[in-house]
Amino acid sequence: GAVVSQHPSRVICKSGTSVKIECRSLDFQATTMFWYRQFPKKSLMLMATSNEGSKATYEQGVEKDKFLINHASLTLSTLTVTSAHPEDSSFYICSASATGYEQYFGPGTRLTVT
Amino acid sequence: EDKVVQSPLSLVVHEGDTVTLNCSYEVTNFRSLLWYKQEKKAPTFLFMLTSSGIEKKSGRLSSILDKKELFSILNITATQTGDSAVYLCALTYGGSQGNLIFGKGTKLSVKP
Repeated sequence: GAVVSQHPSRVICKSGTSVKIECRSLDFQATTMFWYRQFPKKSLMLMATSNEGSKATYEQGVEKDKFLINHASLTLSTLTVTSAHPEDSSFYICSASATGYEQYFGPGTRLTVT
Repeated sequence: EDKVVQSPLSLVVHEGDTVTLNCSYEVTNFRSLLWYKQEKKAPTFLFMLTSSGIEKKSGRLSSILDKKELFSILNITATQTGDSAVYLCALTYGGSQGNLIFGKGTKLSVKP
């Protein structure tokens, strides 16, 4: 149980375009979903926390207009990287929680901006 | 300021050794402590601890939480090369939906 999927697993896009990453909880309802970014050789950096039906809470330093997060249902959250630039290239990981006590991670999405 | 501190930051051992990884924390309104193993991709869930003194065990891995002294340990016995990974400690704390904070991780390398 507690399976979280992400789609796509890898995406390459051109600079200036937008890309959407989906995070789904497959067998449970996730009241809260988290989006992380991982830089090489570093721990996960929390970008934002999203609760179903409400606006995401962004961490300090994360641009809300650049990283659009939508948590439209209890099983789906999306992260849209708008006007992507090469420095946005990274590994993006989502996690989902039903109760706020546990976190289950998706497999991650490797974004490359050329 | 809420924080999670893991030690050591890195560790090199030989197969068969036993290792203990540490995680100390200071958070307000503690909810749970989580251990993850991260290899090349996303972290995989190992344990969730909410109560003091109750050991959780899975194969060669075990973990325990001390809510009085504010720390947890992750033990790995008879280590194997496949145990090589970064082990992350994370805390959920705070409001109704919980907040999450990660430690920097312990990089474990197991040599043959």
